[in-house]
Amino acid sequence: AQSVTQLGSHVSVSEGALVLLRCNYSSSVPPYLFWYVQYPNQGLQLLLKYTSAATLVKGINGFEAEFKKSETSFHLTKPSAHMSDAAEYFCAVSDKTSYDKVIFGPGTSLSVIP
Amino acid sequence: DTAVSQTPKYLVTQMGNDKSIKCEQNLGHDTMYWYKQDSKKFLKIMFSYNNKELIINETVPNRFSPKSPDKAHLNLHINSLELGDSAVYFCASSQGRTGTGNTIYFGEGSWLTVV
Repeated sequence: AQSVTQLGSHVSVSEGALVLLRCNYSSSVPPYLFWYVQYPNQGLQLLLKYTSAATLVKGINGFEAEFKKSETSFHLTKPSAHMSDAAEYFCAVSDKTSYDKVIFGPGTSLSVIP
Repeated sequence: DTAVSQTPKYLVTQMGNDKSIKCEQNLGHDTMYWYKQDSKKFLKIMFSYNNKELIINETVPNRFSPKSPDKAHLNLHINSLELGDSAVYFCASSQGRTGTGNTIYFGEGSWLTVV
């Protein structure tokens, strides 16, 4: 069965600093991996996804993530944090054995300090 | 046009009442979902429908009953509401099964508070 862990339920960065949100997954077959962002009182919006093409995936708002099979990781990064990046970030995994079950991680709340 | 829309956005109701949340998607997708997000932001799938057929029914109390009149609509009816049902309920949709890497598109959520 798939699973997702996100190290750090809360991350604080200074405006302009590097953002690094960690995600590790477990899957017995090649996974599909997603990062979603949830702004306060809103639904989830896809930032980027990995579907076995390029291992470095670029998403919206300057975010990118790198799939590392050997480390079973899919960490999310952004070179320079902006105040508007403050939100909840969810890593998620699915695979061909999962039918329609996308498994979400517990989320990481990102705060950006001015 | 909102891709996945759900109503109401906020709902405050008393224990024991019955309530419904409606969802519509205009993306032409064939798969729709209900997710529940608890107070700790944890997201869990409740139901999934593909072409109006129930595909996933997680261990959800049978007080929760989804209904899909057509591919574009998936409603959630909740009987005999309990305090523990307070949560945010998200409707979502995708084109095809997510087991092939398809993206799930979420609605804005319905904040349910049971008092």
